[in-house]
Amino acid sequence: DADVTQTPRNRITKTGKRIMLECSQTKGHDRMYWYRQDPGLGLRLIYYSFDVKDINKGEISDGYSVSRQAQAKFSLSLESAIPNQTALYFCATSSGVDEQYFGPGTRLTVT
Amino acid sequence: AQSVSQHNHHVILSEAASLELGCNYSYGGTVNLFWYVQYPGQHLQLLLKYFSGDPLVKGIKGFEAEFIKSKFSFNLRKPSVQWSDTAEYFCAVREFYGQNFVFGPGTRLSVLP
Repeated sequence: DADVTQTPRNRITKTGKRIMLECSQTKGHDRMYWYRQDPGLGLRLIYYSFDVKDINKGEISDGYSVSRQAQAKFSLSLESAIPNQTALYFCATSSGVDEQYFGPGTRLTVT
Repeated sequence: AQSVSQHNHHVILSEAASLELGCNYSYGGTVNLFWYVQYPGQHLQLLLKYFSGDPLVKGIKGFEAEFIKSKFSFNLRKPSVQWSDTAEYFCAVREFYGQNFVFGPGTRLSVLP
Protein backbone atom coordinates (compact mmCIF):
# COMPACT_ATOMS: atom_id res chain seq x y z
CA ASP A 1 0.00 0.00 0.00
CA ALA A 2 1.11 3.53 -0.75
CA ASP A 3 2.53 5.53 2.14
CA VAL A 4 0.81 8.75 1.06
CA THR A 5 -2.59 8.65 -0.59
CA GLN A 6 -4.65 11.41 -2.12
CA THR A 7 -8.30 11.56 -3.08
CA PRO A 8 -9.67 12.28 -5.56
CA ARG A 9 -7.03 11.63 -8.22
CA ASN A 10 -8.84 13.68 -10.82
CA ARG A 11 -11.55 16.27 -10.42
CA ILE A 12 -13.34 18.63 -12.73
CA THR A 13 -15.36 21.35 -11.07
CA LYS A 14 -17.02 24.62 -11.95
CA THR A 15 -16.07 28.14 -10.99
CA GLY A 16 -17.45 29.07 -7.59
CA LYS A 17 -17.80 25.54 -6.28
CA ARG A 18 -16.24 24.39 -3.03
CA ILE A 19 -13.92 21.46 -3.29
CA MET A 20 -11.87 19.46 -0.82
CA LEU A 21 -8.75 17.43 -1.56
CA GLU A 22 -7.79 14.83 1.00
CA CYS A 23 -4.45 13.38 1.99
CA SER A 24 -3.65 10.47 4.28
CA GLN A 25 -0.30 9.03 5.29
CA THR A 26 0.85 5.90 7.03
CA LYS A 27 4.47 6.95 7.59
CA GLY A 28 3.84 8.30 11.05
CA HIS A 29 5.29 11.69 10.14
CA ASP A 30 4.31 14.83 11.99
CA ARG A 31 4.91 17.20 9.09
CA MET A 32 2.51 17.44 6.16
CA TYR A 33 2.49 19.78 3.18
CA TRP A 34 0.32 20.82 0.27
CA TYR A 35 1.90 21.94 -3.00
CA ARG A 36 0.61 22.91 -6.39
CA GLN A 37 2.54 22.19 -9.56
CA ASP A 38 2.24 24.31 -12.67
CA PRO A 39 4.31 23.83 -15.83
CA GLY A 40 7.58 25.73 -15.63
CA LEU A 41 7.01 26.85 -12.05
CA GLY A 42 7.97 23.73 -10.16
CA LEU A 43 6.25 23.05 -6.85
CA ARG A 44 4.92 25.92 -4.82
CA LEU A 45 3.98 25.52 -1.18
CA ILE A 46 0.36 26.28 -0.29
CA TYR A 47 0.16 25.27 3.39
CA TYR A 48 2.12 23.17 5.81
CA SER A 49 1.53 21.65 9.23
CA PHE A 50 4.13 20.45 11.70
CA ASP A 51 1.60 18.82 14.01
CA VAL A 52 -2.13 18.67 14.54
CA LYS A 53 -2.27 22.06 16.25
CA ASP A 54 0.16 23.79 13.93
CA ILE A 55 -0.95 25.20 10.56
CA ASN A 56 1.13 27.62 8.51
CA LYS A 57 0.66 29.49 5.27
CA GLY A 58 3.02 28.86 2.41
CA GLU A 59 3.91 31.18 -0.44
CA ILE A 60 0.57 30.88 -2.28
CA SER A 61 -2.12 30.34 0.35
CA ASP A 62 -4.67 32.88 -0.94
CA GLY A 63 -7.88 31.14 -2.00
CA TYR A 64 -7.05 27.97 -0.08
CA SER A 65 -7.64 26.65 3.43
CA VAL A 66 -6.55 23.49 5.21
CA SER A 67 -7.58 21.24 8.04
CA ARG A 68 -5.37 18.82 9.97
CA GLN A 69 -7.88 16.33 11.27
CA ALA A 70 -5.32 13.95 12.74
CA GLN A 71 -1.62 13.27 12.52
CA ALA A 72 -2.29 11.18 9.45
CA LYS A 73 -4.80 13.41 7.64
CA PHE A 74 -4.41 16.81 6.03
CA SER A 75 -7.10 18.28 3.78
CA LEU A 76 -6.94 21.18 1.35
CA SER A 77 -10.06 23.17 0.50
CA LEU A 78 -10.83 25.61 -2.25
CA GLU A 79 -13.74 27.61 -0.87
CA SER A 80 -14.74 29.09 -4.20
CA ALA A 81 -12.77 27.57 -7.05
CA ILE A 82 -11.52 29.75 -9.90
CA PRO A 83 -9.99 28.70 -13.24
CA ASN A 84 -6.43 29.73 -12.33
CA GLN A 85 -6.51 27.13 -9.58
CA THR A 86 -6.41 24.50 -12.29
CA ALA A 87 -3.22 22.58 -11.47
CA LEU A 88 -1.72 19.38 -10.16
CA TYR A 89 -1.84 19.24 -6.36
CA PHE A 90 0.54 17.17 -4.28
CA CYS A 91 0.50 16.26 -0.63
CA ALA A 92 3.81 15.41 1.03
CA THR A 93 5.02 14.28 4.44
CA SER A 94 8.31 14.53 6.25
CA SER A 95 9.81 13.57 9.57
CA GLY A 96 11.59 16.93 9.67
CA VAL A 97 15.09 15.54 9.41
CA ASP A 98 14.80 13.56 6.20
CA GLU A 99 13.36 13.90 2.72
CA GLN A 100 9.74 14.47 1.78
CA TYR A 101 7.49 11.67 0.59
CA PHE A 102 4.88 12.59 -1.99
CA GLY A 103 1.41 11.39 -2.75
CA PRO A 104 0.29 10.51 -6.30
CA GLY A 105 -1.25 13.92 -6.92
CA THR A 106 -4.71 15.27 -7.70
CA ARG A 107 -5.32 16.79 -11.11
CA LEU A 108 -7.86 19.56 -10.61
CA THR A 109 -9.59 21.36 -13.47
CA VAL A 110 -11.78 24.37 -12.79
CA THR A 111 -14.01 25.31 -15.71
CA ALA B 1 14.14 34.30 0.78
CA GLN B 2 15.94 31.23 -0.38
CA SER B 3 15.70 30.39 -4.07
CA VAL B 4 16.69 27.47 -6.26
CA SER B 5 17.49 27.75 -9.94
CA GLN B 6 17.87 25.03 -12.51
CA HIS B 7 19.85 25.89 -15.59
CA ASN B 8 17.83 24.17 -18.26
CA HIS B 9 14.11 24.07 -18.84
CA HIS B 10 14.19 21.21 -21.35
CA VAL B 11 17.07 18.91 -22.27
CA ILE B 12 16.92 16.51 -25.21
CA LEU B 13 19.47 13.70 -25.45
CA SER B 14 19.96 10.51 -27.36
CA GLU B 15 20.28 7.22 -25.52
CA ALA B 16 23.79 6.58 -24.15
CA ALA B 17 24.60 10.30 -24.01
CA SER B 18 25.90 11.73 -20.76
CA LEU B 19 23.70 13.96 -18.65
CA GLU B 20 24.40 16.89 -16.39
CA LEU B 21 21.60 19.00 -14.94
CA GLY B 22 22.53 22.13 -13.08
CA CYS B 23 21.12 23.33 -9.77
CA ASN B 24 22.11 26.42 -7.81
CA TYR B 25 20.70 27.77 -4.57
CA SER B 26 20.94 31.06 -2.77
CA TYR B 27 21.19 30.20 0.93
CA GLY B 28 24.61 30.79 2.50
CA GLY B 29 24.31 28.49 5.51
CA THR B 30 24.29 24.75 5.93
CA VAL B 31 21.79 23.04 3.67
CA ASN B 32 20.33 19.66 2.88
CA LEU B 33 20.07 19.02 -0.85
CA PHE B 34 17.80 16.74 -2.83
CA TRP B 35 17.08 15.65 -6.36
CA TYR B 36 13.63 14.30 -7.14
CA VAL B 37 12.38 12.72 -10.36
CA GLN B 38 8.84 12.77 -11.69
CA TYR B 39 8.10 10.21 -14.39
CA PRO B 40 5.19 11.05 -16.70
CA GLY B 41 1.93 10.86 -14.80
CA GLN B 42 3.58 9.93 -11.54
CA HIS B 43 4.46 11.56 -8.24
CA LEU B 44 7.85 12.84 -7.21
CA GLN B 45 10.36 10.23 -6.08
CA LEU B 46 13.68 10.80 -4.38
CA LEU B 47 16.74 10.17 -6.56
CA LEU B 48 19.40 11.14 -4.05
CA LYS B 49 20.15 13.44 -1.17
CA TYR B 50 23.08 15.16 0.47
CA PHE B 51 23.23 15.95 4.16
CA SER B 52 26.94 15.91 4.99
CA GLY B 53 30.19 14.07 4.30
CA ASP B 54 31.41 13.05 0.86
CA PRO B 55 30.18 15.75 -1.56
CA LEU B 56 29.79 13.17 -4.32
CA VAL B 57 26.52 11.41 -3.69
CA LYS B 58 25.29 8.32 -5.45
CA GLY B 59 21.60 7.68 -5.90
CA ILE B 60 19.29 5.22 -7.54
CA LYS B 61 19.31 4.22 -11.21
CA GLY B 62 22.93 5.23 -11.78
CA PHE B 63 22.48 8.90 -10.92
CA GLU B 64 24.98 10.88 -8.89
CA ALA B 65 25.32 14.48 -7.80
CA GLU B 66 28.17 16.64 -6.63
CA PHE B 67 27.83 19.29 -3.96
CA ILE B 68 30.20 22.22 -4.51
CA LYS B 69 29.76 24.50 -1.54
CA SER B 70 31.80 27.37 -2.98
CA LYS B 71 29.57 27.48 -6.03
CA PHE B 72 26.28 26.86 -4.17
CA SER B 73 25.67 24.08 -6.65
CA PHE B 74 24.38 20.52 -6.60
CA ASN B 75 24.51 19.22 -10.16
CA LEU B 76 22.98 15.92 -11.17
CA ARG B 77 24.86 13.56 -13.49
CA LYS B 78 24.46 10.27 -15.23
CA PRO B 79 27.13 8.81 -17.55
CA SER B 80 24.73 7.14 -19.98
CA VAL B 81 21.03 7.93 -20.14
CA GLN B 82 18.30 5.55 -21.17
CA TRP B 83 14.93 6.16 -22.77
CA SER B 84 13.35 5.30 -19.41
CA ASP B 85 15.06 8.34 -17.85
CA THR B 86 12.62 10.58 -19.68
CA ALA B 87 11.08 12.57 -16.84
CA GLU B 88 11.10 15.89 -15.06
CA TYR B 89 13.84 16.46 -12.52
CA PHE B 90 13.57 18.78 -9.54
CA CYS B 91 16.30 20.08 -7.29
CA ALA B 92 15.24 20.96 -3.74
CA VAL B 93 17.01 22.64 -0.86
CA ARG B 94 16.25 22.80 2.83
CA GLU B 95 18.08 24.91 5.35
CA PHE B 96 19.72 22.57 7.83
CA TYR B 97 16.93 21.35 10.10
CA GLY B 98 14.94 24.20 8.67
CA GLN B 99 11.29 24.63 8.16
CA ASN B 100 10.61 23.89 4.57
CA PHE B 101 11.90 22.67 1.28
CA VAL B 102 12.35 25.03 -1.64
CA PHE B 103 12.06 23.48 -5.08
CA GLY B 104 13.58 24.58 -8.35
CA PRO B 105 11.34 25.02 -11.41
CA GLY B 106 12.32 21.64 -12.81
CA THR B 107 14.14 20.40 -15.90
CA ARG B 108 12.33 18.25 -18.38
CA LEU B 109 14.55 15.52 -19.85
CA SER B 110 13.59 13.82 -23.08
CA VAL B 111 15.70 10.85 -24.13
CA LEU B 112 15.37 9.79 -27.74
CA PRO B 113 15.61 6.06 -28.48
